Amino acid sequence: AQSVTQPDIHITVSEGASLELRCNYSYGATPYLFWYVQSPGQGLQLLLKYFSGDTLVQGIKGFEAEFKRSQSSFNLRKPSVHWSDAAEYFCAVAPGESGGGADGLTFGKGTHLIIQP
Amino acid sequence: DVKVTQSSRYLVKRTGEKVFLECVQDMDHENMFWYRQDPGLGLRLIYFSYDVKMKEKGDIPEGYSVSREKKERFSLILESASTNQTSMYLCASSFNSGSSTDTQYFGPGTRLTVL
Repeated sequence: AQSVTQPDIHITVSEGASLELRCNYSYGATPYLFWYVQSPGQGLQLLLKYFSGDTLVQGIKGFEAEFKRSQSSFNLRKPSVHWSDAAEYFCAVAPGESGGGADGLTFGKGTHLIIQP
Repeated sequence: DVKVTQSSRYLVKRTGEKVFLECVQDMDHENMFWYRQDPGLGLRLIYFSYDVKMKEKGDIPEGYSVSREKKERFSLILESASTNQTSMYLCASSFNSGSSTDTQYFGPGTRLTVL
């Protein structure tokens, strides 16, 4: 079974500074990888996803993530954060080509991002 | 825009009550999912459905059941609510192209408190 680890429960970043949120996965083959964001009181919104091809994936709101097979990682980055980026961020995996079409996602426990003025 | 709606944002019930959480999507998605979200635990899959009247257990199905009588609607049922089912419940839906790549779209969640 696949699993996801987000090592950082909380991260505090100054507004305008760069951001990197870590995500490591455990899966026998190449999984499908996702990053979601949850603003306070809201549902989850997809930021980006990786299936195959270019290992650097661009998403919405200026976010990007890089898939590194050798490190089993899929870290999320943003060059300059804004106060509105304060939220909970979840990394998730789904089975790759060997998986079925209706599998649920396996989520990490989330990283709470705090933006300092 | 894809829209996934959940019948209640906040719900307070008593121990032993039967509880229904409703989810409706308007994008003709085949797949629908129920997750619960708890602090420090992230989201965990309870049940999912890939077609009308079809259901599959997720990672934590105990104490829950589901119903999918119409394609657009997926209900989560707590037969006899208990305090350890106090949680945020999130519904999601996606197309079923036969791949796990299909994006799941989430509703706003229902925060259930069981007293």
